[in-house]
Amino acid sequence: DTAVSQTPKYLVTQMGNDKSIKCEQNLGHDTMYWYKQDSKKFLKIMFSYNNKELIINETVPNRFSPKSPDKAHLNLHINSLELGDSAVYFCASSHNYGYTFGSGTRLTVV
Amino acid sequence: AQKVTQAQTEISVVEKEDVTLDCVYETRDTTYYLFWYKQPPSGELVFLIRRNSFDEQNEISGRYSWNFQKSTSSFNFTITASQVVDSAVYFCALSEAITGGGNKLTFGTGTQLKVEL
Repeated sequence: DTAVSQTPKYLVTQMGNDKSIKCEQNLGHDTMYWYKQDSKKFLKIMFSYNNKELIINETVPNRFSPKSPDKAHLNLHINSLELGDSAVYFCASSHNYGYTFGSGTRLTVV
Repeated sequence: AQKVTQAQTEISVVEKEDVTLDCVYETRDTTYYLFWYKQPPSGELVFLIRRNSFDEQNEISGRYSWNFQKSTSSFNFTITASQVVDSAVYFCALSEAITGGGNKLTFGTGTQLKVEL
């Protein structure tokens, strides 16, 4: 069983559309994250949730709205997609200082 | 604020050469963790090692070894007898605890390693 699974793996969409990326972890971790990897491979945290509570919001545009219905799930909804949102989005979970990353979602906005 | 610097953007070596990837970090925390991740062309992030700030022992795992020196805030990674399969982007990262739970990974900009025949 995949420990941190995110869907879809690839997402191609037009500017202005709204899309969601789903993430689920079966590790029993309390904390989940979204990281963004841009075209230059730079990885940066976007959000973290601890037991469904938002802990970190790293100056991400409010078009991005994370939702954590329970501590095993952290979804990312993006409104009014822009070309600059094209990136790879990684979900992760952690317990203490042990991280597990999902395989990434490559979002391409055309 | 925490910072991780990987000054080497790209390194090219010939197979069987040894290669060292540099990582320098900045933090005000006394307790922190350092990580190395490998990102092969397939795109996933592969965990290589985690080291806490109180453990300065060097570590060796097969052809991989890590040198942690708090005095110079460095956590360097050496691949011995490199192979083509080692070609990837390697990220160094630093973790800090966050009020409210969990922690936050700050990544370096990565080093692209190309191993050629």
